[in-house]
Amino acid sequence: GAGVSQTPSNKVTEKGKYVELRCDPISGHTALYWYRQSLGQGPEFLIYFQGTGAADDSGLPNDRFFAVRPEGSVSTLKIQRTERGDSAVYLCASSLIAGGYNEQFFGPGTRLTVL
Amino acid sequence: QQPVQSPQAVILREGEDAVINCSSSKALYSVHWYRQKHGEAPVFLMILLKGGEQKGHEKISASFNEKKQQSSLYLTASQLSYSGTYFCGTETGHDKIIFGKGTRLHILP
Repeated sequence: GAGVSQTPSNKVTEKGKYVELRCDPISGHTALYWYRQSLGQGPEFLIYFQGTGAADDSGLPNDRFFAVRPEGSVSTLKIQRTERGDSAVYLCASSLIAGGYNEQFFGPGTRLTVL
Repeated sequence: QQPVQSPQAVILREGEDAVINCSSSKALYSVHWYRQKHGEAPVFLMILLKGGEQKGHEKISASFNEKKQQSSLYLTASQLSYSGTYFCGTETGHDKIIFGKGTRLHILP
């Protein structure tokens, strides 16, 4: 497809479980961003990759959150021991390269609900 | 570090104009504007760079005052399709964008 895709679109899990959220960026985009959006709030920065490496992970809330992008394309956001406060829409975005001149293209998001 | 947007919400009639403001406490390299409709992903509108360069939507204009660390988005002759939540995102360095809480815009017919 032409756009950013994310799977699953919805994920319901129980407190304490492990979840993985996947992002497929636009082909050729080297920068990939993860955000978390709660109801009525703006996207909250979590981490971004330039290529395979995490260039900035300062937004990850704690060590239960981890993200990888092993081949510089698809990325997976991993959340261990989920808590009810992790419930949110997780957005992925990609851009041609990182940097302020490059618009980010957002995926449709994964709605995570922790019961 | 999160930019502050004002107003929080606006209700307009079709054809009216609106201005949405974004301010930061830090020096800015760029300001990004996005619109998000309910249940959908944010969509890019415009980028304004330090130094005056702009890139974005033909029918939407914006300004960027580097000294005041402020940006404004101008929506003229609003259409029903302009309804949604507008987010500004600011880059203070290191290539990441920090988004504000958004301004909800509702256009009445």
